[in-house]
Amino acid sequence: KAGVTQTPRYLIKTRGQQVTLSCSPISGHRSVSWYQQTPGQGLQFLFEYFSETQRNKGNFPGRFSGRQFSNSRSEMNVSTLELGDSALYLCASSLGGGPVPNTGELFFGEGSRLTVL
Amino acid sequence: AQKVTQAQTEISVVEKEDVTLDCVYETRDTTYYLFWYKQPPSGELVFLIRRNSFDEQNEISGRYSWNFQKSTSSFNFTITASQVVDSAVYFCALIKAAGNKLTFGGGTRVLVKP
Repeated sequence: KAGVTQTPRYLIKTRGQQVTLSCSPISGHRSVSWYQQTPGQGLQFLFEYFSETQRNKGNFPGRFSGRQFSNSRSEMNVSTLELGDSALYLCASSLGGGPVPNTGELFFGEGSRLTVL
Repeated sequence: AQKVTQAQTEISVVEKEDVTLDCVYETRDTTYYLFWYKQPPSGELVFLIRRNSFDEQNEISGRYSWNFQKSTSSFNFTITASQVVDSAVYFCALIKAAGNKLTFGGGTRVLVKP
């Protein structure tokens, strides 16, 4: 089956602009989570959505937001871009669980590499 | 709070040598899962193994083996007879059973030279 698809793969923006990244999870997966990867901070959790609701949120400013649609596809948005937002943004999908203990079977996409100039 | 530490930032070996990657974690949860992921240059995180906190059996999968020791909060990963294709960044990660947030270590870059 198709894996996690992220678009765009590469993009360049300038400071002050905003950006929207898209993630299509594996068919049947209802949970989508986002991670930011930078050389300095490593891999950091941004947020997680399940059934169109944000279930978990990391320690990022309000400029970082996301949403999930009824088909489980997710988008994340970063407004007023800063140089430090340059990173690889990874999306991961999983079945989600709900009341079932999460077993952590996350499947990652190849990421969207954002460069802010 | 959870924390995962990978003390080795980069390891360079010659093909066919064994390489061991260290991972030490901290958590207050009694039920949790530990992972190893491989990140090739393409960027995708490739799942290698998952271990739950109640299963301390070591595991071997081909040239890969894992040593989980709860007493020392360590989950080390060994690649036996390394190959050039093993060159990548390897991440150790932790998740508590009730959550969906992975806490990653800083990663270890493995360079296998021919």
